[in-house]
Amino acid sequence: EDQVTQSPEALRLQEGESSSLNCSYTVSGLRGLFWYRQDPGKGPEFLFTLYSAGEEKEKERLKATLTKKESFLHITAPKPEDSATYLCAVQVRGGANSKLTFGKGITLSVRP
Amino acid sequence: NAGVTQTPKFQVLKTGQSMTLQCAQDMNHNSMYWYRQDPGMGLRLIYYSASEGTTDKGEVPNGYNVSRLNKREFSLRLESAAPSQTSVYFCASSAGADTKLFFGSGTQLSVL
Repeated sequence: EDQVTQSPEALRLQEGESSSLNCSYTVSGLRGLFWYRQDPGKGPEFLFTLYSAGEEKEKERLKATLTKKESFLHITAPKPEDSATYLCAVQVRGGANSKLTFGKGITLSVRP
Repeated sequence: NAGVTQTPKFQVLKTGQSMTLQCAQDMNHNSMYWYRQDPGMGLRLIYYSASEGTTDKGEVPNGYNVSRLNKREFSLRLESAAPSQTSVYFCASSAGADTKLFFGSGTQLSVL
């Protein structure tokens, strides 16, 4: 059974304090790993897709990396507006979005 | 630039009542999805429509029905609401069956 575990469940940072969010996965064969950001009262918003171990993608203060067992979302010098819940999801090889498995999410709070 | 539009945003039902959640997308996407999000759980797929004219069950379809009315619209119906269906419901769409998802802003449903 495909599994996705995100840690920690919640993270509180001071503005400017860099950190990483973890997404560990167990799947029969990975096609892609997705990161989404979800603001309170809103739907998730796409951030990144990673396909192979060693791949990295960046957007502003965020950088996503992928290994064979986990993905990290690194946040460099975060600002209060980075506060949100970050979701990861895995898609298995040969599968489609109908087979996406989502993690429970990590709630990030950045204090000014 | 509306993207994915869901109505209503909030709804309170009594046990046994029925209702339909509406979803429309203006991105000419082929695939559409209905998810539910519960505290402490990842997003779970209820039903999906890989293309116009097709619908399929997801992970948690019991108690729900769907209609892909046309390429733009995908509705979710609760025939006889139960308290276990209290949740936040998200509609999503994607250009292809395995590409990134675009989510609506959600419907918060309470069943008393």
